[in-house]
Order: sequence, then structure tokens, then C-alpha cells
Amino acid sequence: GAVVSQHPSWVICKSGTSVKIECRSLDFQATTMFWYRQFPKQSLMLMATSNEGSKATYEQGVEKDKFLINHASLTLSTLTVTSAHPEDSSFYICSAREVQRTTEAFFGQGTRLTVV
Amino acid sequence: GNSVTQMEGPVTLSEEAFLTINCTYTATGYPSLFWYVQYPGEGLQLLLKATKADDKGSNKGFEATYRKETTSFHLEKGSVQVSDSAVYFCASNQAGTALIFGKGTTLSVSS
Repeated sequence: GAVVSQHPSWVICKSGTSVKIECRSLDFQATTMFWYRQFPKQSLMLMATSNEGSKATYEQGVEKDKFLINHASLTLSTLTVTSAHPEDSSFYICSAREVQRTTEAFFGQGTRLTVV
Repeated sequence: GNSVTQMEGPVTLSEEAFLTINCTYTATGYPSLFWYVQYPGEGLQLLLKATKADDKGSNKGFEATYRKETTSFHLEKGSVQVSDSAVYFCASNQAGTALIFGKGTTLSVSS
């Protein structure tokens, strides 16, 4: 149980285009999902927290107009990188927290974004 | 604010050696503590966790004990294998909040 699926696992896009990454909780309901960004050989930096049905809360320094987060259902959250640029190239990881288990989060397998 | 500090890597060991990766935390109250492992090109997998003082988390031969007096959660394994080579992240959170991660420690085990 407690599986989080992230899609796609990797994507290459041209500079200026937008990319959507999906994060699904497959066998549980996730009231809260988190989006992280990981640069090579570095830790995970929290980008935003999204609660189902409400606007995401972004961490300081994260551009909300660039990184659009939608959490329309209890099993799906999406991150859209708009007008991507090479500096947006990174590993993006989502995690989801089950309704009843507020101290543990489950992670997707990550999405490697490369902007050329 | 809350934070997690773990030893810098890389850690290079021979197979069957003893492993310790230090982790300390700062937090208001009593957070839950976690160790995650990340294999190359993959997401994070929960390795073990502890939710209160003196709890010991264990999995796949790895152990870590929640020490409130030293605010630590050091990861240990008595005999590492080549397949343990990965990046290990210490993390903490309090109920309702996102995980806060340490910077990660790369472990490389050679045969």
C-alpha cells in the first residue's frame, strides 16, 4: 500500500515551452501533497505544499506563476513548469500524505526535467 | 526554525564494514524522525522511522535510535553490502508539516 506514482519519469523540452508533471496516490487519499526540487548531489528543497481543493502554499523564493500547482482531487496533484528555461532543469519529486497518517509521507519516483 | 544536519559524505567503505551516518536535528517540540534512501536516478524510499524519544527504527539491517537528550538519530548498520551504495537522507517533521531534509550522505561500498 501507500504508493505514489509520478509521471513522466523524465522529460526533455525546449526552452519557452511548458511541462506538466503528475503525482498520483494510487491506493490512498492524500489531503496534502508536497513538491520538492533536487539539484544534482544536493538535498531536496521544498517548493510548495498543496492541499486538496485549495491554493498551494509556496516556499519563499519559489515563483508561483512559474510553478503552477493544482490539487484538484484527493489522488492527483500536478506541477506545471511554465515557460521553462535551462535553469529549471532539475529532479522534481512529489510526496503525498495520507489523511489519517499525518507524520509520514510517501514519495513518487521523481521526474528528471531537462530544458534545452 | 527546524533543521536537520547530517554528516557530509562521501562515505567509502569495504563490504562488511560497520556504518555510521550521524544526524542531529533542531526542532520545537518532538518531531518524528526518518531515514530515506535514494538509489541513482530514483525517488526516495523510506528506510526507517521513529516517532518518539527512545524509539528504535530498524529495517534491512539498518538501525537508528531517537535520542532526545542529544537530539540525534544516527544511522547504523553492522555489515554493509555493495547493494547499500546510495544516498541517505535524514529527515524530520512535526504532524501536519512537510519533511525537512538533511543534505544527504553518499555511501559507496566496494567489494
